[in-house]
Amino acid sequence: GIQVEQSPPDLILQEGANSTLRCNFSDSVNNLQWFHQNPWGQLINLFYIPSGTKQNGRLSATTVATERYSLLYISSSQTTDSGVYFCAVEARWDGGYNKLIFGAGTRLAVHP
Amino acid sequence: ETGVTQSPTHLIKTRGQQVTLRCSSQSGHNTVSWYQQALGQGPQFIFQYYREEENGRGNFPPRFSGLQFPNYSSELNVNALELDDSALYLCASSFRSGSRTGELFFGEGSRLTVL
Repeated sequence: GIQVEQSPPDLILQEGANSTLRCNFSDSVNNLQWFHQNPWGQLINLFYIPSGTKQNGRLSATTVATERYSLLYISSSQTTDSGVYFCAVEARWDGGYNKLIFGAGTRLAVHP
Repeated sequence: ETGVTQSPTHLIKTRGQQVTLRCSSQSGHNTVSWYQQALGQGPQFIFQYYREEENGRGNFPPRFSGLQFPNYSSELNVNALELDDSALYLCASSFRSGSRTGELFFGEGSRLTVL
């Protein structure tokens, strides 16, 4: 099955710093999503981005489907950005069903 | 606010008992997926329901079962609970069109502790 690798596994930032999170995947995908999991466990949708570039405020994401990776950029980080960031991919249709495969996540801590 | 609601938010059971978790989908969505997230790990796919039928299952035993109702709400049932079933259970709804599941939206989860 498709493999999803996220890096770095842990990241510590000072408030105001910028960061880049990476997601590599091993096969072609129909769907790629980035989530932020808050301390209460809620998975918050950041981007639905199977290809191309999107921006939402201080966050942006780029997926290069042909090279099988996606990047999440966080600029001017704030303490509220702390939590776990997950990349999840849906493999191309194989005649059955599709499911999201999650990476192990990047744990981000932003200090004031 | 995703429009996906789950209940209960927390519960404690003992080994061997049975549990039912509930999920209401976002309006307009026709597909429900369930995921298990153990502490410190990413969510793992349990199964997906589309048109009230199970449409795929991950690596989980038959004691994990589910239902999808005509209003697209869903239940996850777990029988003969084991200690390793302690986890956060996440429900996700989406709109499936053809072969594509579409963007998934998750509820806040049900945190199950098995003693």
